[in-house]
Amino acid sequence: DTGVSQDPRHKITKRGQNVTFRCDPISEHNRLYWYRQTLGQGPEFLTYFQNEAQLEKSRLLSDRFSAERPKGSFSTLEIQRTEQGDSAMYLCAALGKTNTGELFFGEGSRLTVL
Amino acid sequence: GENVGLHLPTLSVQEGDNSIINCAYSNSASDYFIWYKQESGKGPQFIIDIRSNMDKRQGQRVTVLLNKTVKHLSLQIAATQPGDSAVYFCAEGHLGNEKLTFGTGTRLTIIP
Repeated sequence: DTGVSQDPRHKITKRGQNVTFRCDPISEHNRLYWYRQTLGQGPEFLTYFQNEAQLEKSRLLSDRFSAERPKGSFSTLEIQRTEQGDSAMYLCAALGKTNTGELFFGEGSRLTVL
Repeated sequence: GENVGLHLPTLSVQEGDNSIINCAYSNSASDYFIWYKQESGKGPQFIIDIRSNMDKRQGQRVTVLLNKTVKHLSLQIAATQPGDSAVYFCAEGHLGNEKLTFGTGTRLTIIP
């Protein structure tokens, strides 16, 4: 157990619909990351937060994507007007307190856009 | 469950043997490297890391070797067990900014 929970684990939606994923790290994790992983590939960085501040966003994060971490604890990733190319595993990760750079990943939210 | 890496490079090793997984990284400015293990349906799990001022680091049954000259990273797993079967990813970045760049994974299969 990495202490990072993601919900839902699976989401199937029709093209054009909006979806939202939630990530709950344990309270000691002040840095939170979102990655996307497509089949056969390694995870790709999307964005990260230091407490409630969103410090960096990848070019992969189009304007249809928005991430928030309103109270510096849980985070949400919303995708508006989903496209088939959005189908992927969305992974949340939190930086541990050991100062090693170790990221603790959640189990991911698998999105399928029909 | 999730089936990660259908068309990844594969490596099959007899249980009890040692395995070596290789990775070529891309950015000569990277100063921090990590190996992750990903089982089907799960998120990546940290195995071992190494900083660029080192060329070797050992953990429990695992050793990471770093060759900065040729930008090559390897993961050695000793006395492999069935539970070692998974997809393994190397990742590079900078300590203090964990915006990691992951390499192409390798699927390791341990043959009983």
